Amino acid sequence: KAGVTQTPRYLIKTRGQQVTLSCSPISGHRSVSWYQQTPGQGLQFLFEYFSETQRNKGNFPGRFSGRQFSNSRSEMNVSTLELGDSALYLCASSLAGDDTLYGYTFGSGTRLTVV
Amino acid sequence: QQPVQSPQAVILREGEDAVINCSSSKALYSVHWYRQKHGEAPVFLMILLKGGEQKGHEKISASFNEKKQQSSLYLTASQLSYSGTYFCGTETYNQGGKLIFGQGTELSVKP
Repeated sequence: KAGVTQTPRYLIKTRGQQVTLSCSPISGHRSVSWYQQTPGQGLQFLFEYFSETQRNKGNFPGRFSGRQFSNSRSEMNVSTLELGDSALYLCASSLAGDDTLYGYTFGSGTRLTVV
Repeated sequence: QQPVQSPQAVILREGEDAVINCSSSKALYSVHWYRQKHGEAPVFLMILLKGGEQKGHEKISASFNEKKQQSSLYLTASQLSYSGTYFCGTETYNQGGKLIFGQGTELSVKP
């Protein structure tokens, strides 16, 4: 059974540029969440999608956006990159539905470095 | 809003026990526990729902005290493979899918 796949694994961008990260969840998982992980702030919730709808959003500026496609694959976009956006971006998928709770399976992440 | 974990770090000898606590100021619907090894993705350990349920995974178990909004993770007879950073993630009512993680507890098991 394939796990959560994130591409690319590593990315180096220049300040002011934009970036798109991709996440393919485990087959059958309809919930996809995104997290930013940094040594100083830890794991911070960005947003969660379920059946192509954003259900929840964290406290990040509007430069951070995402979407989910009909096949549950998800992308997140960061525009006008800042040095502080350098982080490990993790995607997680779950079987979770409206009234069921399951754990999340995380991908290996995309390491974004902004220079 | 972020749950508070304690202790921040703990060092154990193989075979010793440990308890990691996670406290929230919000009314919780569920608590998740994950372990992350250096350079790897977090791995799901267990989920606890309101009602004080206790779950088990190998020699790792957890409890959830709904009155105190506190969860505890119990590691029994620790093994070298238990080393890593443990995170609790909390979900509140009407915000399913939004996990807020604690700052993590670094556990190191020595031979």
